Amino acid sequence: ETGVTQTPRHLVMGMTNKKSLKCEQHLGHNAMYWYKQSAKKPLELMFVYNFKEQTENNSVPSRFSPECPNSSHLFLHLHTLQPEDSALYLCASSQELLPGGDGYTFGSGTRLTVV
Amino acid sequence: EDKVVQSPLSLVVHEGDTVTLNCSYEVTNFRSLLWYKQEKKAPTFLFMLTSSGIEKKSGRLSSILDKKELFSILNITATQTGDSAIYLCAVGGAGTALIFGKGTTLSVSS
Repeated sequence: ETGVTQTPRHLVMGMTNKKSLKCEQHLGHNAMYWYKQSAKKPLELMFVYNFKEQTENNSVPSRFSPECPNSSHLFLHLHTLQPEDSALYLCASSQELLPGGDGYTFGSGTRLTVV
Repeated sequence: EDKVVQSPLSLVVHEGDTVTLNCSYEVTNFRSLLWYKQEKKAPTFLFMLTSSGIEKKSGRLSSILDKKELFSILNITATQTGDSAIYLCAVGGAGTALIFGKGTTLSVSS
């Protein structure tokens, strides 16, 4: 375990469904991130939160809606997704926005399949 | 536009071989370059480099940064099957988050 826990590990959803991904860290980190990892593409930054305030939305479609109720929890709410949204969604955390010696700590990801 | 380019994208070697993975970057206000290893799902941190010419080592892995030529290499000596993974390079610049390359998929056969 890395200290960053993501649930569920796998998710299959229809295009009309609504679901949520959850990320939890108890490392005392102040910054949390959502990244999307698709085959043969670089990790794509989606959202950044610092001290539970959103600092970056990387032009993500509105069908993805993040929520950060506190510095330890991060959610990604999903609705009316498209098949091209199928990917591995990774959550990461860091002590501060510009990571120090240990970089980011990643969760194991949620493998999302949209059918 | 900031970008990170890794090469090769995939590599197959035999156990015992030495491999060199490359990462070049173009980023505004460079701060740091990081290497990660991704075996199954969660990428794990390997190295963070901020200064040119200073080699970082951890066992059979080592890495060095050249800020003049804007690249870094990751060396793995005496490779083992457990080194099979995707190796990710990421750069921190003026933005609030790391920018990642596509990764190099390394396969080590016994």
